[in-house]
Amino acid sequence: DMKVTQMPRYLIKRMGENVLLECGQDMSHETMYWYRQDPGLGLQLIYISYDVDSNSEGDIPKGYRVSRKKREHFSLILDSAKTNQTSVYFCASSRDWSSAETLYFGSGTRLTVL
Amino acid sequence: GEKVEQHESTLSVREGDSAVINCTYTDTASSYFPWYKQEAGKSLHFVIDIRSNVDRKQSQRLIVLLDKKAKRFSLHITATQPEDSAIYFCAASRNSGTYQRFGTGTKLQVVP
Repeated sequence: DMKVTQMPRYLIKRMGENVLLECGQDMSHETMYWYRQDPGLGLQLIYISYDVDSNSEGDIPKGYRVSRKKREHFSLILDSAKTNQTSVYFCASSRDWSSAETLYFGSGTRLTVL
Repeated sequence: GEKVEQHESTLSVREGDSAVINCTYTDTASSYFPWYKQEAGKSLHFVIDIRSNVDRKQSQRLIVLLDKKAKRFSLHITATQPEDSAIYFCAASRNSGTYQRFGTGTKLQVVP
């Protein structure tokens, strides 16, 4: 069953708290992504991971970091969350490093930073 | 880097009519153009794509057209049904070395 799983689905944090968003995939995909979705802005790439410990910044990496210690898991970390990081976060995966591949998305995490 | 613009933010069509969503891109080296659908409150899933070696692709009621000269591509949904109501995102990328960049989404409403 091809699936990208995100946890948690909803999260409320206070400004300054640390946030950990987790993502898993069962397709042995090489490449994983973290996007955020904001109204009127579409999806913006935060980080991309080409494999274990091979991570690159996307278009909006400031304020975020990532960790990929196993191929099937990719974490997004917000150290000292800010209110402008309130958003819906999507994890995605694709088969390999080619950018011309279908992305498979998780169900999303709605993060509210108060 | 690549910039993808999606021209219609909202679109309303009558059930049975066709819907057209247009996107433009800036990177002349882009060669892969997927479309994703997001139903209300749900995640995105792939619906159809086109690569630069063709200018038309059809999958059932979905047709994608690509005009490389104009750097424009479009999604045509024929004989629309209520379940076509969703937000549609276009994206573009090269074959390698970059990642897919998305348009801002078009909210399609199919009214009875």
